[in-house]
Amino acid sequence: KAGVTQTPRYLIKTRGQQVTLSCSPISGHRSVSWYQQTPGQGLQFLFEYFSETQRNKGNFPGRFSGRQFSNSRSEMNVSTLELGDSALYLCASSLGGPRQPQHFGDGTRLSIL
Amino acid sequence: QKEVEQNSGPLSVPEGAIASLNCTYSDRGSQSFFWYRQYSGKSPELIMSIYSNGDKEDGRFTAQLNKASQYVSLLIRDSQPSDSATYLCAVPNAGKSTFGDGTTLTVKP
Repeated sequence: KAGVTQTPRYLIKTRGQQVTLSCSPISGHRSVSWYQQTPGQGLQFLFEYFSETQRNKGNFPGRFSGRQFSNSRSEMNVSTLELGDSALYLCASSLGGPRQPQHFGDGTRLSIL
Repeated sequence: QKEVEQNSGPLSVPEGAIASLNCTYSDRGSQSFFWYRQYSGKSPELIMSIYSNGDKEDGRFTAQLNKASQYVSLLIRDSQPSDSATYLCAVPNAGKSTFGDGTTLTVKP
């Protein structure tokens, strides 16, 4: 069974630009969550989509947005990039139940110059 | 108080020793708990899950849960250098997991 696939693996952008990250979940998983990981803040929850609907949202500004398609693939968009957005962005998928474990992709490392 | 707290690291143990990693959580209603291992530069990998009070063993790994004390631990027996990584405790809630800051373990040959 294929795991969670994230593309691209690495991105370099400049301040003010926007970026779109993609995530394909494990087959059969309907929940896709996004996390930001930085050395100082650890793993921070961005948002979660389940059956194309945003079900949970973390405390990030509106510049961070996402969506989920009917095949459960998800995209995350960050607009007006700031230096502080440099981080590892991780996507995790699960079956979506309250006790289900999440499985992570390899992540997209975003660097803002 | 953080929702999920892990014992501060880093933790260093000699090869063959037992490594003990601890985690406390604030939500008494939490029903399931996971341990992830994250190697440097890699993404977190699920290694243990536990849902009931008591111990759960999987090879050299044992997870322990005490809901009354809101405490979860991970024991690694016969530690190997390949166990050197950051271990994250996670409490899930339908697609949103809250993670501890992690404990970095170094196993010295």
